[in-house]
Amino acid sequence: QQQVKQSPQSLIVQKGGISIINCAYENTAFDYFPWYQQFPGKGPALLIAIRPDVSEKKEGRFTISFNKSAKQFSLHIMDSQPGDSATYFCAASKTTGFQKLVFGTGTRLLVSP
Amino acid sequence: GAVVSQHPSWVICKSGTSVKIECRSLDFQATTMFWYRQFPKQSLMLMATSNEGSKATYEQGVEKDKFLINHASLTLSTLTVTSAHPEDSSFYICSARDRVGQPQHFGDGTRLSIL
Repeated sequence: QQQVKQSPQSLIVQKGGISIINCAYENTAFDYFPWYQQFPGKGPALLIAIRPDVSEKKEGRFTISFNKSAKQFSLHIMDSQPGDSATYFCAASKTTGFQKLVFGTGTRLLVSP
Repeated sequence: GAVVSQHPSWVICKSGTSVKIECRSLDFQATTMFWYRQFPKQSLMLMATSNEGSKATYEQGVEKDKFLINHASLTLSTLTVTSAHPEDSSFYICSARDRVGQPQHFGDGTRLSIL
């Protein structure tokens, strides 16, 4: 019930290509879905987040698509750059109470030059 | 804005010693702070949640006597790993939030190595 499943585990994309990472959740009480970017030896940094009242949110090259009925959401990175090479985590939480984040298993993205 | 600082960034110590890790919110008041543990190439696992002035709430399976958390002010939380052993070696990350409905902001983590 608390799991967030993330795929793929790793991804190699050519520079300029589109990177797509998918997540699925089980708990219908979740109503906040952020994506975090983590570089080696650093903490995660918030990239973009969405709430279930919208189906898509775009910030620069990063887009979240959200499918409430399927309980799935995905991150699209357009025009991927070598500097985007990092580990990406999706997460989910409620916006009430402690609002504890449940993280996906992570996707290691490598953008080749 | 929303900067969270963690100290130290890396610590090596002998088995049996206690280690304290600090987490500070530099430009906001953190009513809630979270402590995570991350093993290599794995996801973040929540250890505990603390509200300023209250006792921490630990996740199932986390030993509260082993991992002491103090959130004495709105800008500082500490995690003390007591009588640390090699199996406690990990990457410990804190996060902070100023109020309900706002995102968590993460520190850069502390790499703990127990010899």
